[in-house]
Amino acid sequence: AQRVTQPEKLLSVFKGAPVELKCNYSYSGSPELFWYVQYSRQRLQLLLRHISRESIKGFTADLNKGETSFHLKKPFAQEEDSAMYYCAVSSGGYQKVTFGIGTKLQVIP
Amino acid sequence: NAGVTQTPKFQVLKTGQSMTLQCAQDMNHNSMYWYRQDPGMGLRLIYYSASEGTTDKGEVPNGYNVSRLNKREFSLRLESAAPSQTSVYFCASSASTGNTIYFGEGSWLTVV
Repeated sequence: AQRVTQPEKLLSVFKGAPVELKCNYSYSGSPELFWYVQYSRQRLQLLLRHISRESIKGFTADLNKGETSFHLKKPFAQEEDSAMYYCAVSSGGYQKVTFGIGTKLQVIP
Repeated sequence: NAGVTQTPKFQVLKTGQSMTLQCAQDMNHNSMYWYRQDPGMGLRLIYYSASEGTTDKGEVPNGYNVSRLNKREFSLRLESAAPSQTSVYFCASSASTGNTIYFGEGSWLTVV
């Protein structure tokens, strides 16, 4: 069964500091990894997915198959980054997506 | 473009009452989902429908039933509500399972 672990429920950083939101996964096939974000009073939405290899709002995430990790990083945190972040995994094809418990990022001005 | 819409947004139920959460998507997606979101538990899949005419249990299906009425609509029914079902419920859809998921705004349900 696929599983996602986000070890930190809350991560507080100062504005301008680097951010790393951790995500580890277990899977039974070729994984597809996602980061979803939920800003205050907004619906949950896709931030990025590993197959796109793109940077969204300054965030990047690299899939490390050896460590089974997909950590989300940003070099300089901004106040508007404060939100709930969910890592998610799918074993590809027509498999359903499994979400982690989420990490609340709090950027302190 | 409305995307995924779900109703009602807020509901208070008494223990034992029944209710149905409605969901519709206008993106011609094949797959639809119902999740619940609880503090410290993240998003947990209740039921999903990979395509029209099929439904499958997720992680926490007990106490719920679903109906994929057509390609657009996927409803979630609580037959006999319990306080443990107090939660925020999200409907979602995707082109197919495993693809990017698009979420509704959520339904806040309180069972007293």
